[in-house]
Order: sequence, then structure tokens, then C-alpha cells
Amino acid sequence: GESVGLHLPTLSVQEGDNSIINCAYSNSASDYFIWYKQESGKGPQFIIDIRSNMDKRQGQRVTVLLNKTVKHLSLQIAATQPGDSAVYFCAEPSGGYQKVTFGIGTKLQVIP
Amino acid sequence: SAVISQKPSRDICQRGTSLTIQCQVDSQVTMMFWYRQQPGQSLTLIATANQGSEATYESGFVIDKFPISRPNLTFSTLTVSNMSPEDSSIYLCSVSSGTVSNQPQHFGDGTRLSIL
Repeated sequence: GESVGLHLPTLSVQEGDNSIINCAYSNSASDYFIWYKQESGKGPQFIIDIRSNMDKRQGQRVTVLLNKTVKHLSLQIAATQPGDSAVYFCAEPSGGYQKVTFGIGTKLQVIP
Repeated sequence: SAVISQKPSRDICQRGTSLTIQCQVDSQVTMMFWYRQQPGQSLTLIATANQGSEATYESGFVIDKFPISRPNLTFSTLTVSNMSPEDSSIYLCSVSSGTVSNQPQHFGDGTRLSIL
């Protein structure tokens, strides 16, 4: 179904520190998850994805962790930079056919 | 990934009018979708644009309000009809070259629509 958030959660992180953004998903049958980054004035940009047969996947400065037991995803950003300031969304396939449901999003603010 | 262009990038419209938003992709794609993103909120799927047939609408969205066309594998339009201030949102086009259960969608930069 729809995912609507009235107030975006905000995470403030000092430049150079690591960031952890969390996401809970609802469908225990979901087998594919995606993280998107949306900068101000732009569309969501694909960052990294993970399939349910994995617990962890690493990209460049980003790591996604999947805990299927508690239906939880996290996105870890190493050595956070000002350019990482954006809203981050997790997404999962839903509805029994080809569509995707987005989480409410988390706003990451990097403090220089 | 595919390059997705949306036009217009923004517009200010009078209530009661209609606006057609275009989405052009630089390569043929299997799936095209239209989303709405209200200020400070997440993305909500409006419909899946089907090539050569009627779009598949999500609950709460109807064809009379949001008519969609998809004449080929690289182009789609979304019309926002009889606009009211509540339609002020960002409208986003996305595409996928496979099934969204195993491939990410890719998005255009959206159309920022304000209704007076």
C-alpha cells in the first residue's frame, strides 16, 4: 500500500562520522530491497540494492544490512560528506505485481 | 542506466486548468510509472503506464483525473486534470528495464507543480 509520512525523521551527523539510516519493512515475503537518495530539487537516485538471500552488501562508502528476522534494513554511510545531505528512502516490491512501495524517508543533514 | 527527461520541470497553474507532463527515455524500457510526491513526504504511485493499453491505476487515483498515455516504449504523458491547490506536488516519472522485483527503477527529476 501507500507509504505516507507527515514529518520526515531527520538525522544530523558531523562531517567525517559514519551515518546509519534505518528502515522497517512490512512484507515478510519481500525478496528485494532498494535504497534511494533524493537531493533537493532532484528525483530519487538509486544507491544500492540487496536481495533477501544476502545479509549485507557493500558499495562505495555505503553498506546495506538486511535483518529478515525483524524485517529491518539499514544503510550505513562511511565518512559522511556534505554531499551526502539528502533524503534517503528504502523501497520494496509490493502488491503482488510490478510496483514498489517507498518508506517514509529520512533526511540526513551533514554538519561541516 | 537510462536517461529520463521530464517536461516541464516546473509550472504554476490556475485552478480548474489541466497540465500534461511528458516523460522521455533515451532507450526502450519495459515499465514506466508515474508517482506523486507531496511536499516533505514520500513517493506515492499513481499508475503504471502500459504501452498500447490503458494504464493501471492505484487505489485513490482515477483515469478521469490523471489520464496517462504511453504510445511507445520510450515516451509517456501524465495529465493532471481540473487542477486544485491540493494537486500541488512533484510528479515523477520512473522506468525499469526489467521487473521491479529484481531491478531498481530509475527516476526523472520531476515536475514541480503549483496550483493557485
